[in-house]
Amino acid sequence: DTAVSQTPKYLVTQMGNDKSIKCEQNLGHDTMYWYKQDSKKFLKIMFSYNNKELIINETVPNRFSPKSPDKAHLNLHINSLELGDSAVYFCASSHTKETQYFGPGTRLLVL
Amino acid sequence: GENVEQHPSTLSVQEGDSAVIKCTYSDSASNYFPWYKQELGKGPQLIIDIRSNVGEKKDQRIAVTLNKTAKHFSLHITETQPEDSAVYFCAAKGGGSYIPTFGRGTSLIVHP
Repeated sequence: DTAVSQTPKYLVTQMGNDKSIKCEQNLGHDTMYWYKQDSKKFLKIMFSYNNKELIINETVPNRFSPKSPDKAHLNLHINSLELGDSAVYFCASSHTKETQYFGPGTRLLVL
Repeated sequence: GENVEQHPSTLSVQEGDSAVIKCTYSDSASNYFPWYKQELGKGPQLIIDIRSNVGEKKDQRIAVTLNKTAKHFSLHITETQPEDSAVYFCAAKGGGSYIPTFGRGTSLIVHP
């Protein structure tokens, strides 16, 4: 019984393509997040939704668009992929302002 | 905003030794300090946390200490085992914040 799940686990694609990553949590949390982890392991917050409302939108290219169809799901769509988008993307969830629980990550490689 | 410094960036120990990872934070309003362990190919997993009304917390071989005056907190792992090898992240969060500020991580290597 996975708490925070992401699909796909690996994503290899060409520059210029559009791709989506999906995230689901079954913890009953009301807040979800997307983080980007670079090759040096730094965790950088990208977006956060609380009760389906966007509450955090860091300085991220507008090629990245999050969508939260309901409190249990937060998807990330990326347009016109660039080489620099290669990274590991983590979804996380929490009760409002409480401890975060992370998913297993999606390893994106842009060629 | 909050700034969290984490040291060392890499820590290499022999199995059975103790390991200590130190973090400092800048915002005196921070009151929640979680520690995460990230194993290779996996997401960060919460291993222990401490709130500002407590000075120390222990869970089997791991412990965390907090010095609010000096604004630093540390993770202590005793009797290290090879399976403790991972990247460890500290974080600090104020009560009004949605997200914690993470340190840059410590890569712990435990040699058998």
